[in-house]
Amino acid sequence: GQQVMQIPQYQHVQEGEDFTTYCNSSTTLSNIQWYKQRPGGHPVFLIQLVKSGEVKKQKRLTFQFGEAKKNSSLHITATQTTDVGTYFCAGSTGGYQKVTFGIGTKLQVIP
Amino acid sequence: DGGITQSPKYLFRKEGQNVTLSCEQNLNHDAMYWYRQDPGQGLRLIYYSQIVNDFQKGDIAEGYSVSREKKESFPLTVTSAQKNPTAFYLCASRPTSTDTQYFGPGTRLTVL
Repeated sequence: GQQVMQIPQYQHVQEGEDFTTYCNSSTTLSNIQWYKQRPGGHPVFLIQLVKSGEVKKQKRLTFQFGEAKKNSSLHITATQTTDVGTYFCAGSTGGYQKVTFGIGTKLQVIP
Repeated sequence: DGGITQSPKYLFRKEGQNVTLSCEQNLNHDAMYWYRQDPGQGLRLIYYSQIVNDFQKGDIAEGYSVSREKKESFPLTVTSAQKNPTAFYLCASRPTSTDTQYFGPGTRLTVL
């Protein structure tokens, strides 16, 4: 079945440093989504990427979808303590049925 | 006030007892999902339902059961056959023609 690998599993950064998490799918995806889960909370949808090579920005967050639509990354510039949480990617192969979540990257920001 | 509700937030049960977790949504979404979250294991799909009176097993359905008698409700029963039921359970719903999922606040189940 489809697998979505996500690395790293944990990342500690000093406030102001950049952060990147990577997702890699075993199969070509129709789209990939990113979610953020704050400590003690539930996953919240951030963005969806659909097109090959797509790049989207949300303030300090930059999301990329690979040319082959099998990998994706989330980059945060100049992290802040409000960025703390676990970031999940979720890949879909189409058909609007289910998505496969990566294991998540837990980000800690040291003030 | 639209959204997904899960209750209770914390639930304690004795080993060997069945327990039912509730999930209600008023977003008029057709599809609903149940995930289990354990530390270091991400979100694993238990069951999902695309439409009322229909549901499919996810990746870890053993020891769980669901029903979908109403569009708004998708309760999950954790049976005594589930070997390791202590976990954080998340319910989600999805609008038609999109893969975006909207999650409820979750229920943390502890089996003693």
